[in-house]
Amino acid sequence: QKEVEQDPGPLSVPEGAIVSLNCTYSNSAFQYFMWYRQYSRKGPELLMYTYSSGNKEDGRFTAQVDKSSKYISLFIRDSQPSDSATYLCAMRAGANNLFFGTGTRLTVIP
Amino acid sequence: ETGVTQTPRHLVMGMTNKKSLKCEQHLGHNAMYWYKQSAKKPLELMFVYSLEERVENNSVPSRFSPECPNSSHLFLHLHTLQPEDSALYLCASSQDQTYSGYTFGSGTRLTVV
Repeated sequence: QKEVEQDPGPLSVPEGAIVSLNCTYSNSAFQYFMWYRQYSRKGPELLMYTYSSGNKEDGRFTAQVDKSSKYISLFIRDSQPSDSATYLCAMRAGANNLFFGTGTRLTVIP
Repeated sequence: ETGVTQTPRHLVMGMTNKKSLKCEQHLGHNAMYWYKQSAKKPLELMFVYSLEERVENNSVPSRFSPECPNSSHLFLHLHTLQPEDSALYLCASSQDQTYSGYTFGSGTRLTVV
């Protein structure tokens, strides 16, 4: 079983839609959860960072963590064509290394 | 220049060649990483350097050889690679090994022919 599972997509939505991206994981020791965004021909950039369970909001982006279900989500409201990218979830247990998902490729159609 | 810079952006090499990838960070970070990114696979951690000391080597074949001459520079020396080594190689840095906010470079797209 993989440490982190993420649906690779691709996912296509019309501009203005609400996007939901998800990851599941198997290691209950994971405490730190991140979402990275990777544009074509670029490296990943940190988008959202949360610790333990709960929600975190930043503009149009909301990250949710449900540790009881080992499930994390990223919601994008009012999606824009500039949101078209690959979104990678990542997580770690304490000071250990990051484990990444495979990434979900998102296209927002104008 | 700020951030993490990787050179070259693209590299095509034969299986008998020797080449090096370079990474430079101007963020004052103490930890640097090499990752391999292949299609439909999670990022694979290759090497970790903390304060210029190699702290992790994730069972990477010896044809990949890292070098960290100082806290701002990281190299990946390549020798006798295989076609399956073709991938995007990403360098990242962080304040220290426990800090989750990695800053990635744009990567080197490597093709082995």
